[in-house]
Amino acid sequence: KQEVTQIPAALSVPEGENLVLNCSFTDSAIYNLQWFRQDPGKGLTSLLLIQSSQREQTSGRLNASLDKSSGRSTLYIAASQPGDSATYLCAVSGTGRRALTFGSGTRLQVQP
Amino acid sequence: GAGVSQTPSNKVTEKGKYVELRCDPISGHTALYWYRQSLGQGPEFLIYFQGTGAADDSGLPNDRFFAVRPEGSVSTLKIQRTERGDSAVYLCASSFDDRGHGYTFGSGTRLTVV
Repeated sequence: KQEVTQIPAALSVPEGENLVLNCSFTDSAIYNLQWFRQDPGKGLTSLLLIQSSQREQTSGRLNASLDKSSGRSTLYIAASQPGDSATYLCAVSGTGRRALTFGSGTRLQVQP
Repeated sequence: GAGVSQTPSNKVTEKGKYVELRCDPISGHTALYWYRQSLGQGPEFLIYFQGTGAADDSGLPNDRFFAVRPEGSVSTLKIQRTERGDSAVYLCASSFDDRGHGYTFGSGTRLTVV
């Protein structure tokens, strides 16, 4: 059974810092990996989707990398802003199963 | 529609009652998913539809939970004989293919069983 772990569970940083969020998964037979953002009381917004054949994806100040063989992904946020404060969730889909398996998320607070 | 719409946004019900939660996906999205999220946790998969059929219902916790998507668009999640442990946010998502492209979540229905 796939398990996804995210470290740290919570993070507080001053505005302007670059930061890294970590995600690990136990079964490397994934089809793709997604990073989502969730604001309090809201649904999830997809940030980046990395196919299993890819090593990284970039969107603006966000960069996500994937090392499938070691079961790891990182989300890099450059020059953090207070508006980045949210919970960031990592999720993987399996090669045979369409459902996403989520981690518990990293709650990020960027202090102005 | 412009996004995934879920109704109601909040539902309070008494233990033992029956509830229905509705999801209206993005027009043209063939795949529809239901997840359940407890406080401080990531969403947990319940059921996945491709078109009208339930392609994977392995996440449904027991036979009190059932979902339908009769015309391949709107879906309803039905919970019978609700229990306090069913309290959670129920999230619906849709995507335009079965590989997660264009994955879009609704804002969820917060279900509270008292």
